[in-house]
Amino acid sequence: AQTVTQSQPEMSVQEAETVTLSCTYDTSENNYYLFWYKQPPSRQMILVIRQEAYKQQNATENRFSVNFQKAAKSFSLKISDSQLGDTAMYFCAFISNYGGSQGNLIFGKGTKLSVKP
Amino acid sequence: DGGITQSPKYLFRKEGQNVTLSCEQNLNHDAMYWYRQDPGQGLRLIYYSQIVNDFQKGDIAEGYSVSREKKESFPLTVTSAQKNPTAFYLCASRDAGQGTTEAFFGQGTRLTVV
Repeated sequence: AQTVTQSQPEMSVQEAETVTLSCTYDTSENNYYLFWYKQPPSRQMILVIRQEAYKQQNATENRFSVNFQKAAKSFSLKISDSQLGDTAMYFCAFISNYGGSQGNLIFGKGTKLSVKP
Repeated sequence: DGGITQSPKYLFRKEGQNVTLSCEQNLNHDAMYWYRQDPGQGLRLIYYSQIVNDFQKGDIAEGYSVSREKKESFPLTVTSAQKNPTAFYLCASRDAGQGTTEAFFGQGTRLTVV
């Protein structure tokens, strides 16, 4: 069964600085997709960034980028120039369209990020 | 506007009663999901469905039931067998035909057992 692990329950960063959130996963599949979601205090889930496992190039969305290490099964999120609005829970998620758990979208336990002024 | 709607936003239930949470989407998505969120537990998958009239148990399906009679709707029933139902419930949908598409989420239902 696939699993997603986020080892940092809470983190904090000063405004304008850079922070990296960690995520590791376990799967026997070769083709899958990874996501980072943000959940602000409103509790609305918002997609931050996505990565296809077959792409070697790391995904980037403005201030957000990932470091995808397929062999190590690692998928970290880097937030540059942190803003107060980045304060939220961040969830790493995994899905495979193949195998016995096809379509099963699973999440890690989340990292609570606080951006301090 | 296309989206996914959960109702109600807040729900109170007496112990021993069944209650049904609504989830409707007009995004024409094949796949739909139900998650439970508790503090420190992240999102735990209850049930998911990839096509009408078919669904699979997730990690914590005990005490819950679902149906998928229409593509647009995926209601979740919390039965009296669920020992600790007080939680925040999130519904999501996704275009299962394209692997890179993300899941879209409703705004959630906060269920409290009184």
